Amino acid sequence: GESVGLHLPTLSVQEGDNSIINCAYSNSASDYFIWYKQESGKGPQFIIDIRSNMDKRQGQRVTVLLNKTVKHLSLQIAATQPGDSAVYFCAETRVNQGGKLIFGQGTELSVKP
Amino acid sequence: EAGVTQFPSHSVIEKGQTVTLRCDPISGHDNLYWYRRVMGKEIKFLLHFVKESKQDESGMPNNRFLAERTGGTYSTLKVQPAELEDSGVYFCASSQGRHREQYFGPGTRLTVT
Repeated sequence: GESVGLHLPTLSVQEGDNSIINCAYSNSASDYFIWYKQESGKGPQFIIDIRSNMDKRQGQRVTVLLNKTVKHLSLQIAATQPGDSAVYFCAETRVNQGGKLIFGQGTELSVKP
Repeated sequence: EAGVTQFPSHSVIEKGQTVTLRCDPISGHDNLYWYRRVMGKEIKFLLHFVKESKQDESGMPNNRFLAERTGGTYSTLKVQPAELEDSGVYFCASSQGRHREQYFGPGTRLTVT
């Protein structure tokens, strides 16, 4: 459903710790999911994606987990660094939707040195 | 390779005025998307071009918004007349294919007073 309010969920972690950012997606028919990172003054930047026929995908320091049963997506960042501080958005889409992305509310990650 | 560029970066206009936003996609990307983030809420889809054709404009809020992509290169998004609730950040993204990674521009921050 619609998110409300002006305040994003915030996650604060210590440098070097692992971060887990969660997202509940809306449409059980979605078959492609992406995590984006948005730094202040910049547009969203692709981090990692996963298709619905997978439940886990790993990148460099990042892992995305997909649980279709409960429509849940998570992004794990290993050894979080100050440069990881940003707003993280999950997005979903369907193959027959032409690439139109439906974004989640976003989570602000703050990394303390 | 140049990324997606948007102009202007910031626009402040009065209610009732007209504003035109411009997006230059990555060269060779046929797919161009417009999104916006209003009042700190989630990023929402506005419309999708494939070359010069509008494929999906289901996210356009009303007929005060007009998007064009003449020649299938850059795109413009005109708001006429602007209302207070149009304030937000307007993002453009482009991709090679409909289900390929979308590259976002830095956004245009529109403030309607």
